[in-house]
Amino acid sequence: GNSVTQMEGPVTLSEEAFLTINCTYTATGYPSLFWYVQYPGEGLQLLLKATKADDKGSNKGFEATYRKETTSFHLEKGSVQVSDSAVYFCALTPGQNFVFGPGTRLSVLP
Amino acid sequence: GAVVSQHPSWVICKSGTSVKIECRSLDFQATTMFWYRQFPKQSLMLMATSNEGSKATYEQGVEKDKFLINHASLTLSTLTVTSAHPEDSSFYICSAYFSGNNEQFFGPGTRLTVL
Repeated sequence: GNSVTQMEGPVTLSEEAFLTINCTYTATGYPSLFWYVQYPGEGLQLLLKATKADDKGSNKGFEATYRKETTSFHLEKGSVQVSDSAVYFCALTPGQNFVFGPGTRLSVLP
Repeated sequence: GAVVSQHPSWVICKSGTSVKIECRSLDFQATTMFWYRQFPKQSLMLMATSNEGSKATYEQGVEKDKFLINHASLTLSTLTVTSAHPEDSSFYICSAYFSGNNEQFFGPGTRLTVL
């Protein structure tokens, strides 16, 4: 079946630190991969996506590369800001249905 | 990007009453919408897939008689929590599938508190 595993949080960083949130997946076929962000009290917002192997998704300084050989889609940002504090969800979709990871809570301290 | 709205954004009700939550795609037609449930500090759990003009498909363990889903038009799906109890208190999020770019757009969520 399809599943997504993320590194457990919470992750606490100082402002301007480098961020990596690991995500690995198990899937049949060739799914599309996504990172969603959820700010406190809000719904999910698409952060970035990649639809095929070796694609790199990027947005707002975040990026992730679809690695088929390691079944990974790690999220990175070179310099985090306090405003990046949120919960980040890795997800995949083989079609229309989404499978979400458990989420990783990020707190960025000034 | 496409916009999905939910109404209400939060609701408090007494145990035993029913609550209806609306999910609308504002600028596109969605033949398929999804309903998720999110417990505090946890991930989203897919409850059901709602297809316009047909019965919803429920995930294993979700009571279809308790969580009634109606997808009467291409822009509106409703979730009714019947005879709500405190354990139904949760954050309910809908999403609408846009076939144009194979993407789902999420609503802002509805926080339900059952007293």
